[in-house]
Amino acid sequence: DTGVSQDPRHKITKRGQNVTFRCDPISEHNRLYWYRQTLGQGPEFLTYFQNEAQLEKSRLLSDRFSAERPKGSFSTLEIQRTEQGDSAMYLCASSLIAGEGTDTQYFGPGTRLTVL
Amino acid sequence: AQSVTQLGSHVSVSEGALVLLRCNYSSSVPPYLFWYVQYPNQGLQLLLKYTSAATLVKGINGFEAEFKKSETSFHLTKPSAHMSDAAEYFCAVRPGYSSASKIIFGSGTRLSIRP
Repeated sequence: DTGVSQDPRHKITKRGQNVTFRCDPISEHNRLYWYRQTLGQGPEFLTYFQNEAQLEKSRLLSDRFSAERPKGSFSTLEIQRTEQGDSAMYLCASSLIAGEGTDTQYFGPGTRLTVL
Repeated sequence: AQSVTQLGSHVSVSEGALVLLRCNYSSSVPPYLFWYVQYPNQGLQLLLKYTSAATLVKGINGFEAEFKKSETSFHLTKPSAHMSDAAEYFCAVRPGYSSASKIIFGSGTRLSIRP
């Protein structure tokens, strides 16, 4: 169990550029979540996958955001035409659904995005 | 709908003193409740969780929390603070049924430890 990993850890980009983040969940975890955390706030849910199916998306996820989990393993989160308001920490979490009360989400270290 | 309110954005205690971080929740269905800790520039680590079994939940690093339905509270405590406990703490809630997904987090409480 190597934990949830995210790449890159830091990304600085100019407004209007596209960025893509990657998340590798804990091996065999069937659920994968994306959250966004701005300074001084708790994480806010963006979207989640069960295996390769995207089952829920938050209203926070505008048309400029897209997430994929093509083979039910790693996931990518892409932001197109970045805006300064997109600057935040993007957190990935994974969990294993195996019965009532067992869905504990384990978080990765996050990708900190700065849009200039 | 679910929500979480953490009372006090910043708590400061002396090393060796009692730590008490307050959390009140709102949920239309029986909730699952969590406390996570976040150290600077790191992700969140689960401290403990309540899933409708025992109301007093023990977690890692000597922390525990008590679920009080009548007060809709889930306060986090530790008898004796260590310098290493300095971090941001998040209380969180989600509906207590297996089809539920997202966790709703509070805005966090920063814990500082005075020598």
